Amino acid sequence: QQQVKQSPQSLIVQKGGIPIINCAYENTAFDYFPWYQQFPGKGPALLIAIRPDVSEKKEGRFTISFNKSAKQFSLHIMDSQPGDSATYFCAASNGPPCRDDKIIFGKGTRLHILP
Amino acid sequence: DAGVIQSPRHEVTEMGQEVTLRCKPISGHNSLFWYRQTMMRGLELLIYFNNNVPIDDSGMPEDRFSAKMPNASFSTLKIQPSEPRDSAVYFCASSQRDSEQYFGPGTRLTVT
Repeated sequence: QQQVKQSPQSLIVQKGGIPIINCAYENTAFDYFPWYQQFPGKGPALLIAIRPDVSEKKEGRFTISFNKSAKQFSLHIMDSQPGDSATYFCAASNGPPCRDDKIIFGKGTRLHILP
Repeated sequence: DAGVIQSPRHEVTEMGQEVTLRCKPISGHNSLFWYRQTMMRGLELLIYFNNNVPIDDSGMPEDRFSAKMPNASFSTLKIQPSEPRDSAVYFCASSQRDSEQYFGPGTRLTVT
């Protein structure tokens, strides 16, 4: 019940395309859903986050869509660029944002944007 | 701020040796996390501390792993004895209460 399931494992998209990464969770106590971006040789860094009281959040070219009833959320990258090539992790936790400090991460999606 | 500092960045050791990984969290952060990242298992939380006290160590794989946080500015993760299956990238992260986690650059451990 603590798992966050993420798909696909890897994704290749042409420059300008819209990669979509999907995540699903079981624990209805989760109420904070961050996405982390990791470049090779670096630690993950927070990209964008959403709470279940909204169905969508946009920050620049990055959009999170959230479906509370289906317990699913997804990341869309508009007008993708080669510089967006990285590993993306979805995550979930209890708390606004981290009431118990613990974040459960998905397995990650390796995204490659072709020039 | 320098961010979360980890040392060493790379460690190569032989099976059976003791390995100590070090972390300096961001000043003022009161939560510290140790993660392990592998291709097979992704990013796993090993243990986390709040105000220097271990809160959840359920992710520590076995007794060969131990972690300490003697003060607010320093933590260690020790593996004794090390095994080839411990090879991974180990990340330390820190946060303030109710805020995002900031990750360090990681330590790439190779056990031969």
